[in-house]
Amino acid sequence: QVQLQESGPGLVKPSQTLYLTCTVSGVSMRSGTYYWSWVRQPAGQRLEWIGRISTSGSTNYSPSVESRVTISSDTSKNQFFLKLTAVTAADTAVYYCVRIHLGPYNYYDSWGQGTLVTVSS
Amino acid sequence: IQLTQSPSVLSASIGDRVTITCRASQDIRSYLGWYQQKPGKAPTVLIYGASTVHTGVPLRFSGSGSGTEFTLTISSLQPEDFATYFCQQLNSYPPAFGQGTRLEIK
Repeated sequence: QVQLQESGPGLVKPSQTLYLTCTVSGVSMRSGTYYWSWVRQPAGQRLEWIGRISTSGSTNYSPSVESRVTISSDTSKNQFFLKLTAVTAADTAVYYCVRIHLGPYNYYDSWGQGTLVTVSS
Repeated sequence: IQLTQSPSVLSASIGDRVTITCRASQDIRSYLGWYQQKPGKAPTVLIYGASTVHTGVPLRFSGSGSGTEFTLTISSLQPEDFATYFCQQLNSYPPAFGQGTRLEIK
């Protein structure tokens, strides 16, 4: 059974860089059936898609964070990563790493438990 | 593409049939998913492709629609169904989510 687990600091200072890691178990990230994504949710608000990475390493990002975000992966370790620069209070949210099931209709079928990141001095 | 759900809050009783609507600002064909989220938990997928029920999801959940208007229906509410429901469009990047519908016990 696939499991995704986010890890990283829970507190980041304004203007600094946020780094999160998602460790995947139960399936190889090299499987062509899936892409891998980061989604966040500020308290009481809707889910916000950040971006995704394919098995080949190609990426797509949300325009709202595109100038500040990098998603990368290390398939030998079955991990993918989020880097978000110049964070502000608006980046405070629960961050989820997610598996995207590919098919005629894609869907987000496995989610990590989420990790709360607070941006504050 | 923007997604707007209605209602934002829905009060219902056990056994009720309820319907949640998701409207897209542009034609998204059938590239729509529905997710359930319980407090403090990650979302779980219910429906994809607008109407395909994900494996393991109870058959009281159903989805319909195409183009710009979609519905999620729960045919007979059970206690475990009280949660927040989100729609998500996957027709184009970025794959946005609706604002959510909180389903609460009347």
